[in-house]
Amino acid sequence: GAVVSQHPSRVICKSGTSVKIECRSLDFQATTMFWYRQFPKKSLMLMATSNEGSKATYEQGVEKDKFLINHASLTLSTLTVTSAHPEDSSFYICSARRSEKLFFGSGTQLSVL
Amino acid sequence: GNSVTQMEGPVTLSEEAFLTINCTYTATGYPSLFWYVQYPGEGLQLLLKATKADDKGSNKGFEATYRKETTSFHLEKGSVQVSDSAVYFCALINSGGSNYKLTFGKGTLLTVNP
Repeated sequence: GAVVSQHPSRVICKSGTSVKIECRSLDFQATTMFWYRQFPKKSLMLMATSNEGSKATYEQGVEKDKFLINHASLTLSTLTVTSAHPEDSSFYICSARRSEKLFFGSGTQLSVL
Repeated sequence: GNSVTQMEGPVTLSEEAFLTINCTYTATGYPSLFWYVQYPGEGLQLLLKATKADDKGSNKGFEATYRKETTSFHLEKGSVQVSDSAVYFCALINSGGSNYKLTFGKGTLLTVNP
């Protein structure tokens, strides 16, 4: 079946630094990828839709300058959390669309100290 | 807007016990409903789905019936196994949702003990 690889699985960083999370579709091309975030005891919330070759579409309330999304190829989307702060600590997960189905990465737990 | 409310976890059961994880939703129109499962260290996987009222989704012994009158999609399994230990997410896509934007519940952690 289709596989989506997300890396890293866990990252700890200092406040003010930037963190990049990668999402790769390993055996298929994905023109559309999605980025979600989950705070403790909260729902997975869609942050943005990443479209290959064009700008990402952000959901209401998500700062596009803070959460930079790049979908430069059909198999890779990256999410960069810029100038991370403790309130950005969360679980981030990506998904890639293949035809009518969605395939998910295993998620990244970000902890900002 | 859309929302999904699912039963708070964690849920701990003994092997062969009966499982129910409740899920209710709020949506405009006629959404498609899903249950996803996340095993430790893995990505979310689609477990089952239902696209219209009274449909029953089933897979791996799990079942859920789309109940429009109660806006519910409860997950059930008659006899759980240790290998069913995972986090279960209820989700929906709104009708005509060609954008594939899922609305998720908070997830329910299930632990099954031998």
